[in-house]
Amino acid sequence: DADVTQTPRNRITKTGKRIMLECSQTKGHDRMYWYRQDPGLGLRLIYYSFDVKDINKGEISDGYSVSRQAQAKFSLSLESAIPNQTALYFCATSGQGTNYGYTFGSGTRLTVV
Amino acid sequence: RKEVEQDPGPFNVPEGATVAFNCTYSNSASQSFFWYRQDCRKEPKLLMSVYSSGNEDGRFTAQLNRASQYISLLIRDSKLSDSATYLCVVKSNDYKLSFGAGTTVTVRA
Repeated sequence: DADVTQTPRNRITKTGKRIMLECSQTKGHDRMYWYRQDPGLGLRLIYYSFDVKDINKGEISDGYSVSRQAQAKFSLSLESAIPNQTALYFCATSGQGTNYGYTFGSGTRLTVV
Repeated sequence: RKEVEQDPGPFNVPEGATVAFNCTYSNSASQSFFWYRQDCRKEPKLLMSVYSSGNEDGRFTAQLNRASQYISLLIRDSKLSDSATYLCVVKSNDYKLSFGAGTTVTVRA
């Protein structure tokens, strides 16, 4: 099994719909993150969580919300999807400390029409 | 100004060639540096950390120049399997990773 599992892998949704992207990890790390990737822009941080009771906004949190249901689970919601939220979304987890790299899930390709 | 800037390429090289590329970062307080590899629309995977003294991992060599705020990656004896996008990643504090947009490398037979 993958260390970080994202569902769904692909999703097409209509403008205005609510959608949830789910993420679970088996690394045992406390820290989890949601990123989006757009062509030519690199990955950008949406939300991050250092433990179940700690949720923080990243650089592009508008239009998104998150829920940390357990140490291993971190979901991202788009309350009312809009076309410019079409992107590739990655969940990641890491250990604590500046020298830790991140382990990413395989991504969710979201298209809002 | 972007926090991390990379030449997008593509760098198109024959098998066996050496290819090198850089990235620059804007935050002089950045603490940790990494190269990630990303295959087409798949998840980024950690290739290697970059240390101040420079470091090698097989055919890959990474260098860090803090004074000029740039990081380099050199790939020797390129293989077809090295074709990918290489992301320069800078960690400015305990949680914040800043990603470059990536440098695309294509190795041809």
